Amino acid sequence: GENVEQHPSTLSVQEGDSAVIKCTYSDSASNYFPWYKQELGKGPQLIIDIRSNVGEKKDQRIAVTLNKTAKHFSLHITETQPEDSAVYFCAASSANFGNEKLTFGTGTRLTIIP
Amino acid sequence: DTGVSQDPRHKITKRGQNVTFRCDPISEHNRLYWYRQTLGQGPEFLTYFQNEAQLEKSRLLSNRFSAERPKGSFSTLEIQRTEQGDSAMYLCASSSRQGGTTEAFFGQGTRLTVV
Repeated sequence: GENVEQHPSTLSVQEGDSAVIKCTYSDSASNYFPWYKQELGKGPQLIIDIRSNVGEKKDQRIAVTLNKTAKHFSLHITETQPEDSAVYFCAASSANFGNEKLTFGTGTRLTIIP
Repeated sequence: DTGVSQDPRHKITKRGQNVTFRCDPISEHNRLYWYRQTLGQGPEFLTYFQNEAQLEKSRLLSNRFSAERPKGSFSTLEIQRTEQGDSAMYLCASSSRQGGTTEAFFGQGTRLTVV
């Protein structure tokens, strides 16, 4: 089955700086890669996703890049703000429509230092 | 609020007791998923439904676990003879295969503590 590894497990950055979280996956059939943000006591919230036919996607301060050859994908958050502090999870799926069975990474706790 | 709703939010039970959780998906969503999340880990897939049909079950879903989705609306997850290892957050998510959207919306989860 699919295995997703995520690094780092914790990340602290100064407010206004950029944060990068990296994931690798094992199943070459995976074709959908979402990123979720989870705040304390809440369920995961999708913040951005990318499909295997695209190398990069951007939404305001958030961007995701995908390297299919290396089986790597990364989340980039620019101009970080205190409200970006949360746990971030990457995930991968090989289902036809993208999210029948998501395999999640172990999460990155991001802390923004004011 | 028209998001995914889970009930209860918290459940404390004694080892050996049975528990049942409920999930109400977003009304027009035909796909419903159950995940389990332990402390410091990402969610792990348990099972999913398309309408009322249970299409896939993880090997994590032992024979003490059963999920149903009668009439393709709400879903229940039952754990029989609970064990301390069942303590976790149980998350429900839903999505629609129609309209081109694939985003899975998660509920707030049910936190189970087995004592």
